[in-house]
Amino acid sequence: EVQLVQSGAEVKKPGESLKISCEGSGYNFLTYWIAWVRQMPGKGLEYMGIIYPGDSDTRYSPSFQGQVAISADKSINTAYLQWSSLKASDTAMYYCARRGFCTGGYCYEDYWAQGTLVTVSS
Amino acid sequence: QSALTQPASVSGSPGESITISCTGASSDVGSYNLVSWYQQHPGKAPKLMLYEVSKRPSGVSNRFSGFKTGNTASLTISGLQAEDEADYYCCSKAGSSTFSYVFGTGTKVSVL
Repeated sequence: EVQLVQSGAEVKKPGESLKISCEGSGYNFLTYWIAWVRQMPGKGLEYMGIIYPGDSDTRYSPSFQGQVAISADKSINTAYLQWSSLKASDTAMYYCARRGFCTGGYCYEDYWAQGTLVTVSS
Repeated sequence: QSALTQPASVSGSPGESITISCTGASSDVGSYNLVSWYQQHPGKAPKLMLYEVSKRPSGVSNRFSGFKTGNTASLTISGLQAEDEADYYCCSKAGSSTFSYVFGTGTKVSVL
C-alpha cells in the first residue's frame, strides 16, 4: 500500500529554522516526483516545488525559489522541506504528495500525506 | 503569477448540476490544455478530479466533467450529491519554465 507520512505539527518563533519530513512507503520512492504544496489558513493551494528523489533533481515555483529548500534522503525514503529563518507568514499547512499519475509528459498527484501544520508566532 | 479566479461559492440541490468557472490569462489557461481540478474536503488532502481539462482519473465519477474556452476553464458536477460538498481548486500550467503552475482561488460547493 502506498503511503506518505509527514512529521508532526510544529510551533516555532520567527527567525527559527525548521525542517519537516515526508516518508514514503509501499512503492519505489526513488522513481516518483514528490511535490510540496502550501495551504495558508483559510486559503487556497500553492505549489512550492518538486523533487525527484532518485537524483535529487529539484524544481521550485518562482514564488518559493530562495525562500525554502527541498531535499531528499533516498536511503530512508524521505523528502524534506526546510526553512532557514521562519516568518509569521510561513504559518500554514504543508502537504507532500506523490506525482504518480503521469500522462502526456505531465504528472499529477495521486497520493497525499496528511499534512504538517506549521505555526510561526512570537 | 496571479491566482486563477474562481467564484467563492456555488450551491445546488441534490440531483442538480452546477458549474464552477476558472478564469486565467492567455499565459496560463489560454495557452495550455493542462488544466486540472482538485477536490478538498475539510481537514483532508486534495484529490485529483480532472486533468488535461476534461479527463478523469480512474475511480472518479463520470458526474464530473470539464471544458475550456479561451482563458476560462469550467468544472461541471452533474447529479449533485451530498458527498460533493467540498472545496474545488483549478490548476493550470503557467509559463514555459519546467515547473510553473498556478492554482485557482478555490470554490466552496454547498449541497442544499
